[in-house]
Amino acid sequence: KNEVEQSPQNLTAQEGEFITINCSYSVGISALHWLQQHPGGGIVSLFMLSSGKKKHGRLIATINIQEKHSSLHITASHPRDSAVYICAVEGLDSNYQLIWGAGTKLIIKP
Amino acid sequence: SAVISQKPSRDICQRGTSLTIQCQVDSQVTMMFWYRQQPGQSLTLIATANQGSEATYESGFVIDKFPISRPNLTFSTLTVSNMSPEDSSIYLCSVTGQGGDYGYTFGSGTRLTVV
Repeated sequence: KNEVEQSPQNLTAQEGEFITINCSYSVGISALHWLQQHPGGGIVSLFMLSSGKKKHGRLIATINIQEKHSSLHITASHPRDSAVYICAVEGLDSNYQLIWGAGTKLIIKP
Repeated sequence: SAVISQKPSRDICQRGTSLTIQCQVDSQVTMMFWYRQQPGQSLTLIATANQGSEATYESGFVIDKFPISRPNLTFSTLTVSNMSPEDSSIYLCSVTGQGGDYGYTFGSGTRLTVV
């Protein structure tokens, strides 16, 4: 079993829909990261969380440390949100190394 | 956050040759990492680049194949040696620990094709 599990693996939705991507992990962590990778390969860090909730524009990330679970939400989704969304965690003794989820490929249709 | 310049952005190389990828950061960073992403796969950590000493390699990666240099806190190189078609991947550098901000920043990647 992978230490970081994401669901769904693939998600196709219509423009305007509310999107939720889930991430569960099995190790103790110091932080959880949500990242976005566009088809060209570039990776952008969206959020770093150690507790609670963060919001940036239409993106919201939450984490429940007790349940070892995080969600990434996109409100009013748009075709430009189409990308792979990756959850990654820093283990407690990881020396900054990330444990990566497999990613969720999101396609937003106009 | 830090700004990374990664070069080259892409290259097509003959098997048996070597390619050196550069990663230049606009500020001093604590940690620099090199990743490989094979087609359709998630990122795999190759090694942690250590300033002034040998890199720390992950299982399955060795220094002879992927020599890494990090002469200072803002620059690192990864060489892919004696390339074969199986080395065709995207290679990315990543940094963290810049000025107390422990988010991660990624280079734009080097898309390598070995023919």
